[in-house]
Amino acid sequence: EIVLTQSPTTIAASPGEKVTITCRASSSVSYMYWYQQKPGASPKPWIYDTSKLASGVPNRFSGSGSGTSYSLTINTMETEDAATYYCQQWSSTPHTFGAGTKLELK
Amino acid sequence: QVQLKESGPGLVQPSQTLSLTCTVAGFSLTSYNVHWVRQPPGKGLEWMGVIWNTGGTRYNSALKSRLSISKDTSKSQVFLKMNSLQTEDTATYYCARVGYWGQGVMVTVSS
Repeated sequence: EIVLTQSPTTIAASPGEKVTITCRASSSVSYMYWYQQKPGASPKPWIYDTSKLASGVPNRFSGSGSGTSYSLTINTMETEDAATYYCQQWSSTPHTFGAGTKLELK
Repeated sequence: QVQLKESGPGLVQPSQTLSLTCTVAGFSLTSYNVHWVRQPPGKGLEWMGVIWNTGGTRYNSALKSRLSISKDTSKSQVFLKMNSLQTEDTATYYCARVGYWGQGVMVTVSS
């Protein structure tokens, strides 16, 4: 089973600040997927195939990485970006998730 | 448009079997895989299993002995059955396909 380790667990950012969340895999994966979840809501597909933004995702978000190291970056934090972000790998089953990174507004 | 909607009992007694249905619209189950994911209250996401468009299945080994996923393509429905439920199975259960998730159904395991 591929274990995904996200860091940090929690981060607080001010509007306009740059934010980076990392996801490290215990074995190499082909792509990484990211989800955004707000309280009381279903996870929303956010980034797919490592770097492609899902429909409606603002272009201040970006994804990158390869092998065992991936990241999600927000160029300039906005209020609406406060949420929990999860990474997931689809390279092998079980399609494991990271434990999540809670992004708070400072 | 694409939709997935979970349905099932909100309360299940310990040791009983959970049966959930995911009804989909806007796509065919012969073309897309459907996954089940669960989330205990205040915790992270756990991938449970998948039914491929071909009908094959793959389960999380941690749940494999208790879990079964099937589908009725003609009714656009995917089914989850999990037996021997315990309190730690209390969670919101989601069905999902690439790019879309259902709203989830909260299941509480309690006597």
